[in-house]
Amino acid sequence: AQKITQTQPGMFVQEKEAVTLDCTYDTSDPSYGLFWYKQPSSGEMIFLIYQGSYDQQNATEGRYSLNFQKARKSANLVISASQLGDSAMYFCAMRRSGGSNYKLTFGKGTLLTVNP
Amino acid sequence: DTGVSQDPRHKITKRGQNVTFRCDPISEHNRLYWYRQTLGQGPEFLTYFQNEAQLEKSRLLSDRFSAERPKGSFSTLEIQRTEQGDSAMYLCASSETPFGELFFGEGSRLTVL
Repeated sequence: AQKITQTQPGMFVQEKEAVTLDCTYDTSDPSYGLFWYKQPSSGEMIFLIYQGSYDQQNATEGRYSLNFQKARKSANLVISASQLGDSAMYFCAMRRSGGSNYKLTFGKGTLLTVNP
Repeated sequence: DTGVSQDPRHKITKRGQNVTFRCDPISEHNRLYWYRQTLGQGPEFLTYFQNEAQLEKSRLLSDRFSAERPKGSFSTLEIQRTEQGDSAMYLCASSETPFGELFFGEGSRLTVL
């Protein structure tokens, strides 16, 4: 079974500063993918960034980067230069790569508030 | 708009009534997923379709829940004899590749009185 743990129910950051959102995972699968999604108050889940378990380098997408530490089973999201529009719920998720299990397993999320 | 669309966005119903939600995925995506999200939780997987075939179902999908994707395009999720515990956001997502990212709709929020 796969499990995602996000230990920070809420985080605060000042505008223009960087923030790290924590995510640890547990799986026995050798090949898997890790995802981060943003959910604003409108409800839509917005894909941010993806990291494959065999990727040698940490993923980056604009202001988002994923600090992937495979041995520690952590996949923290780093948001640089925070903006007011970054205020939202952030979910870490994972799925097996390969086989017939297609579901994405989510953590409970972290509510990020960006202060002006 | 060519994203995933869901209808209705909000539904208030009385306990015991049936409700149906519709999802229109991104047109070139043949994979479709339903998730349920309750307050303070992350989305929980309900079911997965590849084209019209329902390939995976969660144990959360009790016999009161049924999902269909008759022509491999839009999908419906029906809840029969609703209970207060069914109150949640029902999210639909689609994807183009089997292990790539999911693209979500804005969800259908159900309130059972």
